[in-house]
Amino acid sequence: AQSVAQPEDQVNVAEGNPLTVKCTYSVSGNPYLFWYVQYPNRGLQFLLKYITGDNLVKGSYGFEAEFNKSQTSFHLKKPSALVSDSALYFCAVRPSSNDYKLSFGAGTTVTVRA
Amino acid sequence: GAVVSQHPSWVICKSGTSVKIECRSLDFQATTMFWYRQFPKQSLMLMATSNEGSKATYEQGVEKDKFLINHASLTLSTLTVTSAHPEDSSFYICSAEKPGLAVYNEQFFGPGTRLTVL
Repeated sequence: AQSVAQPEDQVNVAEGNPLTVKCTYSVSGNPYLFWYVQYPNRGLQFLLKYITGDNLVKGSYGFEAEFNKSQTSFHLKKPSALVSDSALYFCAVRPSSNDYKLSFGAGTTVTVRA
Repeated sequence: GAVVSQHPSWVICKSGTSVKIECRSLDFQATTMFWYRQFPKQSLMLMATSNEGSKATYEQGVEKDKFLINHASLTLSTLTVTSAHPEDSSFYICSAEKPGLAVYNEQFFGPGTRLTVL
Protein backbone atom coordinates (compact mmCIF):
# COMPACT_ATOMS: atom_id res chain seq x y z
CA ALA A 1 0.00 0.00 0.00
CA GLN A 2 1.09 3.55 -0.60
CA SER A 3 0.39 6.62 1.48
CA VAL A 4 1.31 10.25 1.76
CA ALA A 5 1.46 12.42 4.87
CA GLN A 6 1.34 16.18 4.94
CA PRO A 7 1.84 16.90 8.62
CA GLU A 8 0.74 20.51 8.51
CA ASP A 9 -2.84 21.50 7.79
CA GLN A 10 -1.82 25.13 7.44
CA VAL A 11 1.32 27.10 6.75
CA ASN A 12 1.41 30.84 7.21
CA VAL A 13 4.29 32.99 6.00
CA ALA A 14 4.95 36.62 5.24
CA GLU A 15 5.46 37.68 1.66
CA GLY A 16 9.11 37.53 0.72
CA ASN A 17 9.94 34.87 3.29
CA PRO A 18 10.85 31.28 2.44
CA LEU A 19 7.99 28.82 2.13
CA THR A 20 8.21 25.11 2.95
CA VAL A 21 5.40 22.58 2.70
CA LYS A 22 6.25 19.18 4.11
CA CYS A 23 5.49 15.77 2.64
CA THR A 24 6.53 12.26 3.60
CA TYR A 25 5.54 9.10 1.80
CA SER A 26 5.36 5.37 2.07
CA VAL A 27 5.43 3.20 -1.04
CA SER A 28 6.73 -0.16 -2.15
CA GLY A 29 9.68 0.17 -4.45
CA ASN A 30 10.81 3.40 -6.04
CA PRO A 31 8.37 6.29 -5.86
CA TYR A 32 7.13 8.77 -8.37
CA LEU A 33 6.36 11.96 -6.42
CA PHE A 34 4.27 14.95 -7.39
CA TRP A 35 3.16 18.32 -6.10
CA TYR A 36 -0.06 19.97 -7.19
CA VAL A 37 -1.68 23.28 -6.28
CA GLN A 38 -5.40 23.95 -6.12
CA TYR A 39 -7.09 27.33 -6.07
CA PRO A 40 -10.66 27.66 -4.76
CA ASN A 41 -13.23 25.80 -6.87
CA ARG A 42 -10.59 24.82 -9.38
CA GLY A 43 -8.95 21.59 -10.43
CA LEU A 44 -5.38 20.64 -9.67
CA GLN A 45 -2.48 22.36 -11.34
CA PHE A 46 0.77 20.45 -11.70
CA LEU A 47 3.80 22.05 -10.05
CA LEU A 48 6.58 19.51 -10.30
CA LYS A 49 7.49 15.85 -10.16
CA TYR A 50 10.31 13.51 -9.22
CA ILE A 51 10.71 10.43 -11.36
CA THR A 52 14.42 9.73 -11.36
CA GLY A 53 17.72 11.57 -11.54
CA ASP A 54 18.63 14.66 -9.54
CA ASN A 55 17.09 14.78 -6.11
CA LEU A 56 16.41 18.51 -6.43
CA VAL A 57 13.54 19.14 -8.79
CA LYS A 58 12.60 22.57 -10.08
CA GLY A 59 9.05 23.28 -11.14
CA SER A 60 6.57 25.96 -12.04
CA TYR A 61 6.26 29.41 -10.43
CA GLY A 62 9.65 29.22 -8.72
CA PHE A 63 8.86 26.13 -6.66
CA GLU A 64 11.30 23.32 -6.06
CA ALA A 65 11.32 20.10 -4.08
CA GLU A 66 13.99 17.78 -2.81
CA PHE A 67 13.62 14.03 -2.85
CA ASN A 68 15.20 12.50 0.24
CA LYS A 69 15.12 8.74 0.05
CA SER A 70 16.54 8.09 3.52
CA GLN A 71 13.90 10.31 5.13
CA THR A 72 11.19 9.34 2.61
CA SER A 73 10.41 13.01 2.18
CA PHE A 74 9.61 15.33 -0.70
CA HIS A 75 9.23 18.80 0.79
CA LEU A 76 8.10 21.66 -1.42
CA LYS A 77 10.01 24.92 -1.16
CA LYS A 78 10.00 28.41 -2.52
CA PRO A 79 12.73 30.88 -1.55
CA SER A 80 10.51 33.96 -1.57
CA ALA A 81 6.75 33.52 -1.21
CA LEU A 82 4.17 35.70 -2.95
CA VAL A 83 0.64 36.53 -1.82
CA SER A 84 -0.55 34.81 -4.99
CA ASP A 85 0.99 31.55 -3.72
CA SER A 86 -1.84 31.31 -1.18
CA ALA A 87 -3.65 28.11 -2.10
CA LEU A 88 -4.12 24.45 -1.20
CA TYR A 89 -1.13 22.23 -1.93
CA PHE A 90 -1.21 18.48 -2.42
CA CYS A 91 1.61 15.98 -2.43
CA ALA A 92 0.99 12.73 -4.31
CA VAL A 93 2.82 9.46 -4.81
CA ARG A 94 2.60 6.38 -6.95
CA PRO A 95 4.97 3.44 -7.23
CA SER A 96 7.21 3.18 -10.27
CA SER A 97 5.60 -0.13 -11.14
CA ASN A 98 2.63 -0.39 -13.47
CA ASP A 99 0.28 0.70 -10.72
CA TYR A 100 -0.89 4.04 -12.06
CA LYS A 101 -2.99 5.13 -9.12
CA LEU A 102 -2.02 8.34 -7.40
CA SER A 103 -2.37 8.63 -3.65
CA PHE A 104 -2.80 12.16 -2.36
CA GLY A 105 -1.92 13.71 0.95
CA ALA A 106 -4.57 15.53 2.95
CA GLY A 107 -3.41 18.88 1.64
CA THR A 108 -1.78 21.93 3.20
CA THR A 109 -3.36 25.35 3.06
CA VAL A 110 -0.74 28.02 2.47
CA THR A 111 -1.48 31.60 3.40
CA VAL A 112 1.00 34.28 2.44
CA ARG A 113 0.31 37.61 4.12
CA ALA A 114 1.33 40.89 2.59
CA GLY B 1 -0.07 20.99 -24.25
CA ALA B 2 -2.43 18.66 -22.51
CA VAL B 3 -5.80 20.09 -21.63
CA VAL B 4 -8.63 18.33 -19.87
CA SER B 5 -12.06 19.90 -19.66
CA GLN B 6 -15.11 19.09 -17.59
CA HIS B 7 -18.71 19.98 -18.20
CA PRO B 8 -20.60 21.34 -16.46
CA SER B 9 -18.42 23.31 -14.09
CA TRP B 10 -21.23 23.40 -11.59
CA VAL B 11 -24.69 21.88 -11.34
CA ILE B 12 -27.57 22.07 -8.91
CA CYS B 13 -30.19 19.34 -9.01
CA LYS B 14 -33.11 18.02 -7.02
CA SER B 15 -32.81 14.93 -4.89
CA GLY B 16 -33.66 11.80 -6.85
CA THR B 17 -32.55 13.07 -10.23
CA SER B 18 -29.52 11.91 -12.19
CA VAL B 19 -26.64 14.11 -13.23
CA LYS B 20 -24.08 13.47 -15.96
CA ILE B 21 -20.60 14.97 -15.84
CA GLU B 22 -18.35 14.92 -18.88
CA CYS B 23 -14.57 14.75 -18.92
CA ARG B 24 -12.75 15.40 -22.18
CA SER B 25 -9.12 15.34 -23.17
CA LEU B 26 -8.98 18.13 -25.71
CA ASP B 27 -5.63 17.64 -27.41
CA PHE B 28 -4.64 14.06 -26.72
CA GLN B 29 -6.13 10.61 -26.61
CA ALA B 30 -6.52 9.06 -23.20
CA THR B 31 -7.06 5.35 -22.85
CA THR B 32 -7.31 5.81 -19.10
CA MET B 33 -9.19 8.44 -17.15
CA PHE B 34 -9.75 8.74 -13.44
CA TRP B 35 -12.61 10.13 -11.38
CA TYR B 36 -11.99 11.69 -7.99
CA ARG B 37 -14.24 13.11 -5.34
CA GLN B 38 -13.23 15.91 -3.03
CA PHE B 39 -15.08 17.12 0.05
CA PRO B 40 -14.49 20.66 1.31
CA LYS B 41 -10.96 21.19 2.55
CA GLN B 42 -10.16 17.51 2.13
CA SER B 43 -8.00 15.51 -0.19
CA LEU B 44 -8.94 13.86 -3.45
CA MET B 45 -10.32 10.36 -3.16
CA LEU B 46 -10.08 8.13 -6.18
CA MET B 47 -13.50 6.79 -7.07
CA ALA B 48 -12.81 4.78 -10.18
CA THR B 49 -10.53 4.19 -13.11
CA SER B 50 -12.14 4.48 -16.51
CA ASN B 51 -10.68 2.50 -19.40
CA GLU B 52 -11.75 3.12 -22.98
CA GLY B 53 -13.84 0.28 -24.31
CA SER B 54 -14.08 -1.64 -21.07
CA LYS B 55 -15.77 -1.51 -17.71
CA ALA B 56 -14.56 0.92 -15.11
CA THR B 57 -12.68 -0.28 -12.07
CA TYR B 58 -14.17 1.05 -8.88
CA GLU B 59 -12.39 1.66 -5.61
CA GLN B 60 -13.54 -0.11 -2.51
CA GLY B 61 -16.64 1.45 -1.05
CA VAL B 62 -17.75 3.21 -4.23
CA GLU B 63 -21.15 2.05 -5.49
CA LYS B 64 -20.83 1.24 -9.17
CA ASP B 65 -24.59 1.30 -9.68
CA LYS B 66 -24.79 4.79 -8.26
CA PHE B 67 -21.78 6.25 -10.03
CA LEU B 68 -22.00 5.06 -13.60
CA ILE B 69 -18.90 5.56 -15.69
CA ASN B 70 -18.73 5.31 -19.44
CA HIS B 71 -15.57 5.73 -21.49
CA ALA B 72 -16.95 5.53 -24.99
CA SER B 73 -14.09 7.16 -26.84
CA LEU B 74 -10.43 7.99 -26.37
CA THR B 75 -11.28 11.58 -25.51
CA LEU B 76 -14.45 11.31 -23.44
CA SER B 77 -15.42 9.75 -20.14
CA THR B 78 -18.70 10.43 -18.37
CA LEU B 79 -19.72 10.05 -14.76
CA THR B 80 -23.43 9.79 -14.05
CA VAL B 81 -24.59 10.21 -10.50
CA THR B 82 -27.87 8.30 -10.40
CA SER B 83 -30.69 9.15 -8.02
CA ALA B 84 -28.61 11.85 -6.44
CA HIS B 85 -29.03 12.71 -2.77
CA PRO B 86 -27.70 15.62 -0.71
CA GLU B 87 -24.82 13.48 0.57
CA ASP B 88 -23.60 13.18 -3.02
CA SER B 89 -22.93 16.91 -3.07
CA SER B 90 -19.23 17.29 -3.66
CA PHE B 91 -16.52 18.47 -6.02
CA TYR B 92 -15.84 15.89 -8.71
CA ILE B 93 -12.53 16.02 -10.55
CA CYS B 94 -11.40 13.91 -13.46
CA SER B 95 -7.94 13.30 -14.81
CA ALA B 96 -6.70 11.81 -18.05
CA GLU B 97 -3.55 9.83 -18.57
CA LYS B 98 -1.52 10.95 -21.56
CA PRO B 99 0.48 8.18 -23.20
CA GLY B 100 4.05 9.02 -23.95
CA LEU B 101 7.58 7.82 -24.31
CA ALA B 102 8.46 8.54 -20.70
CA VAL B 103 8.70 5.81 -18.11
CA TYR B 104 5.30 6.80 -16.89
CA ASN B 105 2.17 8.38 -18.32
CA GLU B 106 1.39 11.73 -16.76
CA GLN B 107 -2.07 12.56 -15.49
CA PHE B 108 -3.67 15.86 -16.40
CA PHE B 109 -6.55 17.14 -14.28
CA GLY B 110 -9.79 18.75 -15.26
CA PRO B 111 -11.07 21.92 -13.57
CA GLY B 112 -13.66 20.04 -11.54
CA THR B 113 -17.45 20.00 -11.30
CA ARG B 114 -19.28 21.26 -8.25
CA LEU B 115 -22.43 19.19 -7.65
CA THR B 116 -25.05 20.42 -5.21
CA VAL B 117 -28.06 18.22 -4.56
CA LEU B 118 -31.00 19.92 -2.91
